[in-house]
Amino acid sequence: GAVVSQHPSRVICKSGTSVKIECRSLDFQATTMFWYRQFPKQSLMLMATSNEGSKATYEQGVEKDKFLINHASLTLSTLTVTSAHPEDSSFYICSARDPSGLADGELFFGEGSRLTVL
Amino acid sequence: DAKTTQPPSMDCAEGRAANLPCNHSTISGNEYVYWYRQIHSQGPQYIIHGLKNNETNEMASLIITEDRKSSTLILPHATLRDTAVYYCIVRTTGANSKLTFGKGITLSVRP
Repeated sequence: GAVVSQHPSRVICKSGTSVKIECRSLDFQATTMFWYRQFPKQSLMLMATSNEGSKATYEQGVEKDKFLINHASLTLSTLTVTSAHPEDSSFYICSARDPSGLADGELFFGEGSRLTVL
Repeated sequence: DAKTTQPPSMDCAEGRAANLPCNHSTISGNEYVYWYRQIHSQGPQYIIHGLKNNETNEMASLIITEDRKSSTLILPHATLRDTAVYYCIVRTTGANSKLTFGKGITLSVRP
């Protein structure tokens, strides 16, 4: 299947700093990418939908100024956690749609990025 | 998107078939049934999907009832590496259709 890669896989930062996570579709062009967050022992929670060349659509309760999403190309979307605090520590996962798949494009997930804010 | 309900957990013996049920009684005619799984600390992995016909691939089989209100994911010969959280999701079609995850079912494969 298609490959989606995230970087970094793990990051530790100090409170108040900003952290950028990259999501790349390696062998297909993804017009739409999705960002999820997962706290321990919980399910994935959708944060936002990212469309190439336009502003991201955020889910209710997700602060757009806190979680900056940029989807500047068909193979790269970035999530920047600004002024990170310990409560932002989580597992962040992206997914990308391969438009060549069935059912309006299959969704493939990255490996996830574990953020720890000290 | 329609909601799904799954038991919280189940286990099975290694080498036996694992049958994972899912109820989606409010599914719409244009919604597909998708199954993903998540092994600890990894991103979800696509398993299989279907609309109304039964489907089979190298990983699993998907059996959808005639009224489409429920489905069963079958792992024919479970291995220890199949231990994971399995998510049954129904999804609308469309360029921006989203995958909304429920709590899933934790499958534990025992030796």
